[in-house]
Amino acid sequence: GENVEQHPSTLSVQEGDSAVIKCTYSDSASNYFPWYKQELGKRPQLIIDIRSNVGEKKDQRIAVTLNKTAKHFSLHITETQPEDSAVYFCAEGGNEKLTFGTGTRLTIIP
Amino acid sequence: DAGVIQSPRHEVTEMGQEVTLRCKPISGHNSLFWYRQTMMRGLELLIYFNNNVPIDDSGMPEDRFSAKMPNASFSTLKIQPSEPRDSAVYFCASSFTGGLYNEQFFGPGTRLTVL
Repeated sequence: GENVEQHPSTLSVQEGDSAVIKCTYSDSASNYFPWYKQELGKRPQLIIDIRSNVGEKKDQRIAVTLNKTAKHFSLHITETQPEDSAVYFCAEGGNEKLTFGTGTRLTIIP
Repeated sequence: DAGVIQSPRHEVTEMGQEVTLRCKPISGHNSLFWYRQTMMRGLELLIYFNNNVPIDDSGMPEDRFSAKMPNASFSTLKIQPSEPRDSAVYFCASSFTGGLYNEQFFGPGTRLTVL
């Protein structure tokens, strides 16, 4: 079945520095790779996604890279700010359901 | 659009009682997902529906859990009888599948506590 491994489980970075979260997946048929951000007590919300025909996508301080051959994808946050503190989930899927990673708790140190 | 609506937002019940969680997906979406989130197990997919039909219920823990989607605008997740280990946040999410994008939109969740 589908499996997504996410690392690290916790990450602390100084404000202004960059943060990188990595995920690997096993299903070769996966073609959709979203990233969700979940603040404390809130719902997961999509922050960026990438499709398998694209290697990189950027949206302001957030970027995602995808290596389909190696079956891994990464989230990059640059110039981190206190409001970036949250739990981040990667996910992979095909046409319908998503399989989520175990989450990364990111803490931005002022 | 009000987004995905879930009720109740919080539920506290005693072991053995029946619990019913409700979800209204975003209008026009044709897929609905029920997730359970705990510290230990993370975000788990319990069951999902497409066009009101259950497609994959392999994540449903056991027979105490059941889900229905009688129409395109309403779904329920029922636990009977409830147990303390069912305590978790239950999220409902919806999406439109069949197009180019299948972003899932989550509801606010129901925090269930079983005493």
